[in-house]
Amino acid sequence: SQTIHQWPATLVQPVGSPLSLECTVEGTSNPNLYWYRQAAGRGLQLLFYSVGIGQISSEVPQNLSASRPQDRQFILSSKKLLLSDSGFYLCAWSVSRQGWQPQHFGDGTRLSIL
Amino acid sequence: SQQGEEDPQALSIQEGENATMNCSYKTSINNLQWYRQNSGRGLVHLILIRSNEREKHSGRLRVTLDTSKKSSSLLITASRAADTASYFCATVFHLGGSNYGQNFVFGPGTRLSVLP
Repeated sequence: SQTIHQWPATLVQPVGSPLSLECTVEGTSNPNLYWYRQAAGRGLQLLFYSVGIGQISSEVPQNLSASRPQDRQFILSSKKLLLSDSGFYLCAWSVSRQGWQPQHFGDGTRLSIL
Repeated sequence: SQQGEEDPQALSIQEGENATMNCSYKTSINNLQWYRQNSGRGLVHLILIRSNEREKHSGRLRVTLDTSKKSSSLLITASRAADTASYFCATVFHLGGSNYGQNFVFGPGTRLSVLP
């Protein structure tokens, strides 16, 4: 069966520090991969999605970047964090090239910027 | 503005009662999906209803879709304390090509509290 792992679960970082959040998927090949941010008590904002290795689409201009160095690995990064980067970050996957299929989420990373 | 909007924003009921949440959207969809999120966790897919379907059941869940009114409802029957969570609808388009990330639009969710 397919599983998705996201880490760390929580992270506290000072303003101006770098960021690297990692997401890996097991049990499927060439998945569509997504990074979302969720503000407290709110819906999901799509940040990035990827349909293949090295293929990244950005949905909103921001201080963050994403990379997909391997088929089932998706990384969210920042060179210098801002206070506004605080939030709950969720990684998700869906079946390859079927963008209408359900998405499967990791357990998220709670990021607090001090 | 957002494609999917849930209503109400928050709902509090007693165990054993039914809970109904609604979702409205603005443009044509391929399908509509409902997700559940426990506090501090990821979303879990509950049910998918296609644009040519009107009603779907899964256990204690019943979903309806009215494409003429561009609305959907999620009914949870005989609620339990364990049903306490946030529920999100996601409206799904079919954009074609490789625009997969733009296919989904999640609403702000309904926070359901089931009191024992």
